[in-house]
Amino acid sequence: KAGVTQTPRYLIKTRGQQVTLSCSPISGHRSVSWYQQTPGQGLQFLFEYFSETQRNKGNFPGRFSGRQFSNSRSEMNVSTLELGDSALYLCASSLSGSGETQYFGPGTRLLVL
Amino acid sequence: AQSVTQLDSQVPVFEEAPVELRCNYSSSVSVYLFWYVQYPNQGLQLLLKYLSGSTLVKGINGFEAEFNKSQTSFHLRKPSVHISDTAEYFCAVRNTGNQFYFGTGTSLTVIP
Repeated sequence: KAGVTQTPRYLIKTRGQQVTLSCSPISGHRSVSWYQQTPGQGLQFLFEYFSETQRNKGNFPGRFSGRQFSNSRSEMNVSTLELGDSALYLCASSLSGSGETQYFGPGTRLLVL
Repeated sequence: AQSVTQLDSQVPVFEEAPVELRCNYSSSVSVYLFWYVQYPNQGLQLLLKYLSGSTLVKGINGFEAEFNKSQTSFHLRKPSVHISDTAEYFCAVRNTGNQFYFGTGTSLTVIP
């Protein structure tokens, strides 16, 4: 089985712009979670989608949003980018429920100038 | 909300020596516990997990961890480390609401 894939792998944007990141889960996985990883804050949970519905949400501002499609692929959007949004954005997929192992993609490294 | 504390941000250890990476969590309810490893420029890879049952969990690459409910700890151990074990290690807790909480990571450096 192919693993979790994320595109693009690297991205450079300027302040005020918006960005869309994409995640394709492992085939058959219906849950997709997004995380932001920074040296200072570590890994922070953004949100989780399951069957096209947002099931959980972390403590991030409304500039961060996401969605999931019927094929379980997910996109994350960040509007009005700030310098502090520079980070590695990780996507993880799992089959469905609590206790399931999450499988992580390689991440998208976003640099905001 | 849960919190996860990894007490050591950096752990240097000589090759073939044993290592223990510490993890404590705060929770009054049942949780699932995980250890992940992250190699440079890569995503996270699952090392092992505790869901229920035996408190000693064995994972990949010779790692194991012990769940201690009374001390709310889930320390990771390996009896003999290899150069290739140099990486960042993350402890994580998943609650019954399906939210993951990660520790800030421990950077393990194996010295030849």
